[in-house]
Amino acid sequence: NAGVTQTPKFRILKIGQSMTLQCAQDMNHNYMYWYRQDPGMGLKLIYYSVGAGITDKGEVPNGYNVSRSTTEDFPLRLELAAPSQTSVYFCASSLQTGLRVHSPLHFGNGTRLTVT
Amino acid sequence: AQSVTQLDSQVPVFEEAPVELRCNYSSSVSVYLFWYVQYPNQGLQLLLKYLSGSTLVKGINGFEAEFNKSQTSFHLRKPSVHISDTAEYFCAVTGTQGGSEKLVFGKGTKLTVNP
Repeated sequence: NAGVTQTPKFRILKIGQSMTLQCAQDMNHNYMYWYRQDPGMGLKLIYYSVGAGITDKGEVPNGYNVSRSTTEDFPLRLELAAPSQTSVYFCASSLQTGLRVHSPLHFGNGTRLTVT
Repeated sequence: AQSVTQLDSQVPVFEEAPVELRCNYSSSVSVYLFWYVQYPNQGLQLLLKYLSGSTLVKGINGFEAEFNKSQTSFHLRKPSVHISDTAEYFCAVTGTQGGSEKLVFGKGTKLTVNP
């Protein structure tokens, strides 16, 4: 049981380049999330999805895009990389039943991205 | 909007000493509360959660937390820490954003356990 798998683990981008961070989960969870973690700042929600075909913005969506064509996969796209996007990115999933967020989030091990 | 304050960014302690990591949140209206732990170069994992019922919640690895509604706090405690407890700890609280409920994370507390 792999849980949440993120690839790549590390990446260095030049300003203006684009890339896709991959995230896959094998727990049949309906909710998936993308967070960024900056030192001393905690986690900020970028985008989330409540199921295949449904995505919505989080707290810091600018500069990012997502899609959710299957239950398992939730890729995060950076179109024009900027130094401000240097961060550690975490994907998470959970099985939510109803409107309350009561189920634990399962996190991947993160992707460390540097934009120079 | 819901906010979470973790009062200490770093907490150094000696092995076998007790520890308390403090967490306060802004709104007490029907919240759910969580503590997550992040070991170096890993993702976060759930330590414990409070949804309802007893205000004292026990989690993994000997940690516990107490929900205090009047003080809007959810402090994490362990009576005797080990070197292996060295990690970053995040408090999280449910909050409503854009019409739906989300988890709001604190900025984290780095616990360092020294021999």
